[in-house]
Amino acid sequence: GQNIDQPTEMTATEGAIVQINCTYQTSGFNGLFWYQQHAGEAPTFLSYNVLDGLEEKGRFSSFLSRSKGYSYLLLKELQMKDSASYLCAVMDSNYQLIWGAGTKLIIKP
Amino acid sequence: DAMVIQNPRYQVTQFGKPVTLSCSQTLNHNVMYWYQQKSSQAPKLLFHYYDKDFNNEADTPDNFQSRRPNTSFCFLDIRSPGLGDAAMYLCATSARTSGGNEQFFGPGTRLTVL
Repeated sequence: GQNIDQPTEMTATEGAIVQINCTYQTSGFNGLFWYQQHAGEAPTFLSYNVLDGLEEKGRFSSFLSRSKGYSYLLLKELQMKDSASYLCAVMDSNYQLIWGAGTKLIIKP
Repeated sequence: DAMVIQNPRYQVTQFGKPVTLSCSQTLNHNVMYWYQQKSSQAPKLLFHYYDKDFNNEADTPDNFQSRRPNTSFCFLDIRSPGLGDAAMYLCATSARTSGGNEQFFGPGTRLTVL
């Protein structure tokens, strides 16, 4: 079966750096997405990786290793507004998105 | 601003009473999706349309139906809501289904079943 694993919850301090990991096993691979979802709101797109390596976008970076079935989202200079769930999703060979359950990130002052 | 709009934002219905959720988009995207998301769970794809081609996920219950009368609008009908159907229903669009095409989500409709 297809599977996306990410930690259920993480806690970090305002101003710090946090890395959220995602491992996946899917039938085929057409890219990996990270979405941010605040409580009670819809997911919003953060990043897309299809090739190995690091993609940097401001305070957020996303890394992919296809051979390891692994990605991480790196958040720097954490702000209170970064408290949210972060969802990892992989596009499989049928171009369907397989979603992880999300990692709830709690930021403490 | 181009966007995905869902109405209503909150819907309360009674057990077994049919309900329709609506979604509209001004992005002119070919693909529209309906997801069900329960608390602390991954979004679960119910259906998607590529233009007018309807694609039903194998495990989507028959209780859920969908209509896309034109490019801009898509509806989710729940024929006989049960307590287990209480969830957030998310509509999303994308330009195409191929890789790299991010999905844009509407704000969601939170359904409560009494």
